[in-house]
Amino acid sequence: GAGVSQSPRYKVTKRGQDVALRCDPISGHVSLYWYRQALGQGPEFLTYFNYEAQQDKSGLPNDRFSAERPEGSISTLTIQRTEQRDSAMYRCASSLAGGDEAYNEQFFGPGTRLTVL
Amino acid sequence: GQNIDQPTEMTATEGAIVQINCTYQTSGFNGLFWYQQHAGEAPTFLSYNVLDGLEEKGRFSSFLSRSKGYSYLLLKELQMKDSASYLCAAPSGGYNKLIFGAGTRLAVHP
Repeated sequence: GAGVSQSPRYKVTKRGQDVALRCDPISGHVSLYWYRQALGQGPEFLTYFNYEAQQDKSGLPNDRFSAERPEGSISTLTIQRTEQRDSAMYRCASSLAGGDEAYNEQFFGPGTRLTVL
Repeated sequence: GQNIDQPTEMTATEGAIVQINCTYQTSGFNGLFWYQQHAGEAPTFLSYNVLDGLEEKGRFSSFLSRSKGYSYLLLKELQMKDSASYLCAAPSGGYNKLIFGAGTRLAVHP
């Protein structure tokens, strides 16, 4: 398909609510990544998948954060009991190759701007 | 652990050349990436270096010295549209977990 798409583009929620952020990677891309980006900073790694398998979740800040990619395509990042400090841009990226032995160019989506009031 | 340092801001004149430096410390080495990010947009891939030396790609070139833990991005014939943040990134462990620097905001003025 065209590029990586994410929805919603903007999400405003109240503290304590759960939110689900969706990522639709480029068709055929094996690997999918989630990042969080604060204003004026580079993306911060959260987790990544090869196909449906979550390979690394070391960047998830705490157990309120979880991600899934059940069919190896679309992924959802869920934040439970949101807190104000969760406010950030959440970006998804995908890459073609699935192996961990070769360079992968990552293609980034437009992001979801999350604001927790 | 991983550590990536790059200058916070730089300014340059249209038509000039600018060099953006990046120093890194990684556990293992699997290459060094540069990404460009315009304000309000997604990062886009610019270059990848895994061997020492200069890789040229049009107006943009990227250099790597593995022994010094050092890379730079060279932008020639600057254009106003080159005003953006430039992000240096290195894989941690395998190739899939990218650690990004904070980015260098480049402002190109007439």
